[in-house]
Amino acid sequence: DVKVTQSSRYLVKRTGEKVFLECVQDMDHENMFWYRQDPGLGLRLIYFSYDVKMKEKGDIPEGYSVSREKKERFSLILESASTNQTSMYLCASRRTGGVPGANVLTFGAGSRLTVL
Amino acid sequence: AQSVTQPDIHITVSEGASLELRCNYSYGATPYLFWYVQSPGQGLQLLLKYFSGDTLVQGIKGFEAEFKRSQSSFNLRKPSVHWSDAAEYFCAVGAGNQGGKLIFGQGTELSVKP
Repeated sequence: DVKVTQSSRYLVKRTGEKVFLECVQDMDHENMFWYRQDPGLGLRLIYFSYDVKMKEKGDIPEGYSVSREKKERFSLILESASTNQTSMYLCASRRTGGVPGANVLTFGAGSRLTVL
Repeated sequence: AQSVTQPDIHITVSEGASLELRCNYSYGATPYLFWYVQSPGQGLQLLLKYFSGDTLVQGIKGFEAEFKRSQSSFNLRKPSVHWSDAAEYFCAVGAGNQGGKLIFGQGTELSVKP
């Protein structure tokens, strides 16, 4: 089974801190995604990456940046955390193309971030 | 604009009763459709997907969904709900092609009464 691992399940940070959320997948998937989940709003796409060193803004990229130096790792960076970034962050990956399992997102367990 | 609407924020059903969760979408191209389930404190797990072909698709845990193009709907059903089905359910739509992103609905929280 594909595994998507988010290194931190719970984080508490202070306003203004720089925050790194790490995500690693072990099945050589091309695409990786960062979503933010808030009650009543569902999942909103922050950034995604088609492949190594490639990134695209999602629907709510403000206040975030990403890094994908290696195919298996996709990092979400909050340059200066603010209280309105308190949320659950979900990483996902996906294989593309005409192979079994393609086009289906596999999610990590999530990272719950609290900014004080 | 592309969107997914799950009209019911919260549904409560009795154990053993049937279930239908609604999903309506607005999408310009032929959609790929998904239902995911999220148990408390967990990530999302794929229940089922529709890419093409038979409009009634079967998924895991006894769930099924029917794609109705004329109604732009992809409702999720289960004939007999179990207490372990209590979770949040998300409908999603996408193009499915390389680089396409998924658009998620707001989610429906399911509670199951004993």
